[in-house]
Amino acid sequence: KAGVTQTPRYLIKTRGQQVTLSCSPISGHRSVSWYQQTPGQGLQFLFEYFSETQRNKGNFPGRFSGRQFSNSRSEMNVSTLELGDSALYLCASSVTNYGYTFGSGTRLTVV
Amino acid sequence: GQQLNQSPQSMFIQEGEDVSMNCTSSSIFNTWLWYKQDPGEGPVLLIALYKAGELTSNGRLTAQFGITRKDSFLNISASIPSDVGIYFCAGQLTTSAGGTSYGKLTFGQGTILTVHP
Repeated sequence: KAGVTQTPRYLIKTRGQQVTLSCSPISGHRSVSWYQQTPGQGLQFLFEYFSETQRNKGNFPGRFSGRQFSNSRSEMNVSTLELGDSALYLCASSVTNYGYTFGSGTRLTVV
Repeated sequence: GQQLNQSPQSMFIQEGEDVSMNCTSSSIFNTWLWYKQDPGEGPVLLIALYKAGELTSNGRLTAQFGITRKDSFLNISASIPSDVGIYFCAGQLTTSAGGTSYGKLTFGQGTILTVHP
C-alpha cells in the first residue's frame, strides 16, 4: 500500500514569490492535514481538509492556503514568500480515528 | 499556538537501558499519539491511545493515556541503536459530524534520543 506522497521533496524560492506544494494521501484516506515544522516553533498545524472542505485552520496568515480535490489529493499554496516561511512542510492523511500517517515532507528554502 | 510540554528535551543513554518520556497539557485531549521522526523524514506513528487510563504496548514500546486526559508517557525498554531519533507526543481533540471524527494534532517540542552502543 503506497504511503503519503509529497512533491517536490526540495524547493528553493525567492522572497516575494509564491509556491504550491502537492500531497497525495493514502488510498481511501479522505482527511488531509498540513503542518509546518521549524526548529524554533516545532510542528504547527496549518489546516485540514475532508471531502474538499476545509474543516480546521491553524493560526497562520492568509498567505497560506490550501485545497483538496475530488480524488482527495491536496495542495497548499504560500503567496508572497518570506524568509521565515523556510521550513519542512508535512502532509498527513487519515482514516477516521486511527491516527495520521505523514509523508516525508517538502523542504522549502526561501532566499 | 497551544503546545504540549514534553520532557526531557534530550536524552543520552547506553544501549540496553530503558527510556521514559512524558507530555503534559493544560487542556484535555481524547486521543494521544506518539511519533518518531528520523532526519529528513516525516514522523512515523508508534502508538495511538484512545481511552483515558489506557496502557498500550508495541514491541519494546509502552505508552499510557493519563487518567486526567491531560498527560501521556512513553517508555522504551532495552534500547538499541536504531531507537535514535526525535520522539513527539501529539494530542488530538476529535469532534464528530455525521459519524466522522476529525481534529488537528497539537505536538510537543520533541525528545531527542541518542543511544550509545
